[in-house]
Amino acid sequence: QKEVEQDPGPLSVPEGAIVSLNCTYSNSAFQYFMWYRQYSRKGPELLMYTYSSGNKEDGRFTAQVDKSSKYISLFIRDSQPSDSATYLCAMRKGGSEKLVFGKGTKLTVNP
Amino acid sequence: DAGITQSPRHKVTETGTPVTLRCHQTENHRYMYWYRQDPGHGLRLIHYSYGVKDTDKGEVSDGYSVSRSKTEDFLLTLESATSSQTSVYFCAISESTPYNNQPQHFGDGTRLSIL
Repeated sequence: QKEVEQDPGPLSVPEGAIVSLNCTYSNSAFQYFMWYRQYSRKGPELLMYTYSSGNKEDGRFTAQVDKSSKYISLFIRDSQPSDSATYLCAMRKGGSEKLVFGKGTKLTVNP
Repeated sequence: DAGITQSPRHKVTETGTPVTLRCHQTENHRYMYWYRQDPGHGLRLIHYSYGVKDTDKGEVSDGYSVSRSKTEDFLLTLESATSSQTSVYFCAISESTPYNNQPQHFGDGTRLSIL
């Protein structure tokens, strides 16, 4: 079983839709959870950084962590064509600098 | 932007040649990392550094070495490049301390092709 599983998509939605992106994980020691956005031929850009369970909101983006289910989500409200990118989840254990990444979900938002 | 410059941005070389990639940061962050990104595998950690001359191995370190002689520079060397090392290489930095975990920020990558 992979430590982090992420559906690669591709996912295609109309402009204005609510997008839900998800990752599951197997290691209960993970404590820090991140979402990165990666545009074509660019490096990953940090979107959200959360510690342990709960929700975090930043503008149109909401990150959710459910440690009991080993499941994290990223919601994008009022999606825009500029949100078209690959979204990577990442996580790490407390006290460790080693990130484990999902393989990424490719999202296209159609005008 | 996180103040990370990777060089070169693109490189094509032949099997068996040595290759060195450079990561330069202007943030004075303690931690620096090298990753490779491949289709079907995602991002995988090669090596990382937690200070000048302090480095450790990641998940896919075989065939790679690193050096950090200054806080701002982290070099990745392929001693004898192989076609399996064709990839996109990303450098990342973090201002984590032993008491305060911080997220990593990435450069824009080096596309390396080994023929």
